[in-house]
Amino acid sequence: NAGVMQNPRHLVRRRGQEARLRCSPMKGHSHVYWYRQLPEEGLKFMVYLQKENIIDESGMPKERFSAEFPKEGPSILRIQQVVRGDSAAYFCASLRSEVAEAFFGQGTRLTVV
Amino acid sequence: DQQVKQNSPSLSVQEGRISILNCDYTNSMFDYFLWYKKYPAEGPTFLISISSIKDKNEDGRFTVFLNKSAKHLSLHIVPSQPGDSAVYFCAARGGSNYKLTFGKGTLLTVNP
Repeated sequence: NAGVMQNPRHLVRRRGQEARLRCSPMKGHSHVYWYRQLPEEGLKFMVYLQKENIIDESGMPKERFSAEFPKEGPSILRIQQVVRGDSAAYFCASLRSEVAEAFFGQGTRLTVV
Repeated sequence: DQQVKQNSPSLSVQEGRISILNCDYTNSMFDYFLWYKKYPAEGPTFLISISSIKDKNEDGRFTVFLNKSAKHLSLHIVPSQPGDSAVYFCAARGGSNYKLTFGKGTLLTVNP
């Protein structure tokens, strides 16, 4: 039973480019969180999605960031026009339901140069 | 406003002894609590959880205690092993808000 799969594991982008981070949830899980971890800091909530719905995006920056979780395929976190401050580890977690445990992927480490 | 606090950035314990990691919360709507372990360059790994209707949950070497009146929970690891050395995060969820709120983590070092 495969766990939460995130790809790529490492992503390098130049300032101004777009970054696309993918998250395939565990089988049977229809809920996804995205979190960001900056160096020397804890995990900060970004967005909570169910299939085809954004439930809570209160942690997402208002500009340049967007997330989706389509009916088919992985969840995507998209960062447009990246800046150096976007460099961080981005973690996705999936859940079977909104009251279940969340299981995390290995993360995508984004470096903006 | 930090709703979940882990006030000890680090903890060092001898192998075989008990490790106690603490977590405090301020939001009385939280009703479900989780502990995660994280190694460098890896994602957090779920360890154990507890619902607010319980005051204790045990799974092998890991026990979580919840004191609702004090808004405090703790994770006990007995006996501690060198492989337990990692950052431990406390997380909470509740009310109409399903997002997990994390503490800043405690680095546990278990010395052989």
